[in-house]
Amino acid sequence: EDQVTQSPEALRLQEGESSSLNCSYTVSGLRGLFWYRQDPGKGPEFLFTLYSAGEEKEKERLKATLTKKESFLHITAPKPEDSATYLCAVRSQTGYALNFGKGTSLLVTP
Amino acid sequence: DAGVTQSPTHLIKTRGQQVTLRCSPISGHKSVSWYQQVLGQGPQFIFQYYEKEERGRGNFPDRFSARQFPNYSSELNVNALLLGDSALYLCASSLPTSGLGGANVLTFGAGSRLTVL
Repeated sequence: EDQVTQSPEALRLQEGESSSLNCSYTVSGLRGLFWYRQDPGKGPEFLFTLYSAGEEKEKERLKATLTKKESFLHITAPKPEDSATYLCAVRSQTGYALNFGKGTSLLVTP
Repeated sequence: DAGVTQSPTHLIKTRGQQVTLRCSPISGHKSVSWYQQVLGQGPQFIFQYYEKEERGRGNFPDRFSARQFPNYSSELNVNALLLGDSALYLCASSLPTSGLGGANVLTFGAGSRLTVL
């Protein structure tokens, strides 16, 4: 059964203090790893999809990387508006579902 | 362009009642998925529908049912509500699945917050 574990559960950063969020996964043949951002009271917002070990994608201050066992979401010089819960998910073997981790709650203070 | 729209945004029910949640996908999206998100947890897959047919079902009891209409909108029904059904119910739409591993990305709505008392 697919398993997705995210760490840390919560992270507090000062504005400008770079860090990384971790997503460890166990699947039988990766069919896509997804990163979403979720603001309080809203639905998840798509950030990235990664398919192969070694793949990297960037968007503004965010960079996602993928290995055979985990993915990292690197946040460079974060701003308070980056505060949100970041969710990692893998596509199920059937292809119809995303299996999500519990998320990392990020707070960036001025 | 309108995103995925869900209604109602909030509702309160009592144990044993029934609830219907509604979802309109992004124009051109033919696949709709439903997820349940309990506070502090990640979303959990309930159903996926494509062209009015159920394509996948998560580990939820038969009290949960859904359907998709010819205009691709969808309804999620939950019968005999339990306290544990209190959650944010998310609808997501996507372009047609092009087989396993297709690059279809889920776009989520803002959700329907259900509270069961």
